Amino acid sequence: AQKITQTQPGMFVQEKEAVTLDCTYDTSDQSYGLFWYKQPSSGEMIFLIYQGSYDEQNATEGRYSLNFQKARKSANLVISASQLGDSAMYFCAMREGRDDKIIFGKGTRLHILP
Amino acid sequence: GAVVSQHPSWVICKSGTSVKIECRSLDFQATTMFWYRQFPKQSLMLMATSNEGSKATYEQGVEKDKFLINHASLTLSTLTVTSAHPEDSSFYICSAPGTGAYEQYFGPGTRLTVT
Repeated sequence: AQKITQTQPGMFVQEKEAVTLDCTYDTSDQSYGLFWYKQPSSGEMIFLIYQGSYDEQNATEGRYSLNFQKARKSANLVISASQLGDSAMYFCAMREGRDDKIIFGKGTRLHILP
Repeated sequence: GAVVSQHPSWVICKSGTSVKIECRSLDFQATTMFWYRQFPKQSLMLMATSNEGSKATYEQGVEKDKFLINHASLTLSTLTVTSAHPEDSSFYICSAPGTGAYEQYFGPGTRLTVT
């Protein structure tokens, strides 16, 4: 069974609009961490935002916020005021328990339209 | 922030040959490093966990004899693709965890093409 599910293979959004990228996860651990990464065409992995399972408030980093709904096991990424440079592949990822390894979802390709 | 480098950034080799990819932590020590493989338009798939001074831990379905991992020092892990075949052509990325829960530093990746 997939541990990280991203149901949107691709999305097209008009510039300056907000966009929500969906992510659900599956774990039996009480302690875990959730990540979002951006991967442009160059291939580099760019860290965007992190949410720990015990964090009570949703994480925010500039234009990025993570809508963490623990009971639903969902960790959606919200990008406000999208820009052309936001066009890239976006991966949701999880680290479980005391493990350091990170497991990735299949990703969502985001296209920002001018 | 912490930096992880990979060398080479791209490599083309002939089928049947072996290729070594290096992953270095430049300004911190990494007792653990992770190797991922990414096929075009797909996600990063974890291949193995590289442990300094001990054997690597491979994920299910990854051939340990084909993908040799060595982590001889606290700043260097190497992945050797032995007897490479065209189906091994992929983007290989390494990463190393930092001290914070959110810290995971990725290398820039190595694009391998086997002809």
